[in-house]
Amino acid sequence: KAGVTQTPRYLIKTRGQQVTLSCSPISGHRSVSWYQQTPGQGLQFLFEYFSETQRNKGNFPGRFSGRQFSNSRSEMNVSTLELGDSALYLCASSLDGQANNSPLHFGNGTRLTVT
Amino acid sequence: ELKVEQNPLFLSMQEGKNYTIYCNYSTTSDRLYWYRQDPGKSLESLFVLLSNGAVKQEGRLMASLDTKARLSTLHITAAVHDLSATYFCAGVTGTASKLTFGTGTRLQVTL
Repeated sequence: KAGVTQTPRYLIKTRGQQVTLSCSPISGHRSVSWYQQTPGQGLQFLFEYFSETQRNKGNFPGRFSGRQFSNSRSEMNVSTLELGDSALYLCASSLDGQANNSPLHFGNGTRLTVT
Repeated sequence: ELKVEQNPLFLSMQEGKNYTIYCNYSTTSDRLYWYRQDPGKSLESLFVLLSNGAVKQEGRLMASLDTKARLSTLHITAAVHDLSATYFCAGVTGTASKLTFGTGTRLQVTL
């Protein structure tokens, strides 16, 4: 069974640009959530999508947005990039986000560097 | 708002020794997770703890949960070099997809 797939693995952008990251969840998983990992702030929740609807949102500015498609694949967009957006962005999927016994399954992440 | 604290932040231990990583959380957490992360890699799920007194073991790792003390522990028995990694605990309130992570404990097992 294929795991969570994130593309691209690495990205280098300049300040002011925008970027789109992609995530394909495990087959059958309908919940996709996104996390940002930085050395200073650690792992922080961005948002969660379920059945094409944003179900939860973390404390990030509106420059961070996402969406989910009917096949559960998800994209995350960051506009007007800032140096502080440099991070590892992790996508995670689960069956429905409510299963008590089911952990989140994480992808390998996209390493974004903003110069 | 749920806050999760781990200690120690860094742990250097010799092969064959035992040690414990502690995870304290501030308010009620519906579930407690432990993850492992190797450098440059993603997070690998280790344990999901659901209720007070839960104990789970896998190889040299054992995790437990005390909801009254709001404390989870990850005990390492007879450490081996392959266990070198960063270990995170995470709590959750509400939906299982909004995890609040601890700062992580970087474990280095030396020969």
